[in-house]
Amino acid sequence: KNQVEQSPQSLIILEGKNCTLQCNYTVSPFSNLRWYKQDTGRGPVSLTIMTFSENTKSNGRYTATLDADTKQSSLHITASQLSDSASYICVVSDRGSTLGRLYFGRGTQLTVWP
Amino acid sequence: EADIYQTPRYLVIGTGKKITLECSQTMGHDKMYWYQQDPGMELHLIHYSYGVNSTEKGDLSSESTVSRIRTEHFPLTLESARPSHTSQYLCASSELRADSNTEAFFGQGTRLTVV
Repeated sequence: KNQVEQSPQSLIILEGKNCTLQCNYTVSPFSNLRWYKQDTGRGPVSLTIMTFSENTKSNGRYTATLDADTKQSSLHITASQLSDSASYICVVSDRGSTLGRLYFGRGTQLTVWP
Repeated sequence: EADIYQTPRYLVIGTGKKITLECSQTMGHDKMYWYQQDPGMELHLIHYSYGVNSTEKGDLSSESTVSRIRTEHFPLTLESARPSHTSQYLCASSELRADSNTEAFFGQGTRLTVV
């Protein structure tokens, strides 16, 4: 069964600190992995997208890693800001069909305190 | 900034009413999707479309229906709303490419409450 599991479920950190969010998946055949940021009551916004051959990708203070062998990904946030408070969702796409079906994790709810 | 728009953002409606949630995108994307998301839960695909006159049901059974008469427009309709339909509905779109490595852009969502 294709699944995406994220940990931790929630995380509280102080402003300026770094944190790392984890994503494990069992989606096969694998096409790509995406990290999205979703503010409360809003739609998800893409942070990174990585294919099988990529093992790291950065977008400002966000750095995503991918280990396609162990089927794990992480999202590292450096020098956190209050505006980073949001849910971070790991999404894995398969390549079994033209649709490129997306499998969503439940997200990690990050809260940044001043 | 994604050019995909959903209206209304919030809707409170009585049981039994018919409602239509609007979704429009100006990116010329062929693929469009509707997802349902409850608080703290993952997104579930309820409908998708490959292009004009193409509509398919997603993974999560839904009493809603969709239509795709124009490329840019993908409305979702509930003929008779019930409290169990209370949820957030997210529309998304992406290019149609064989390698599926395309960005999916999401709208802001419609928060539906049926009382």
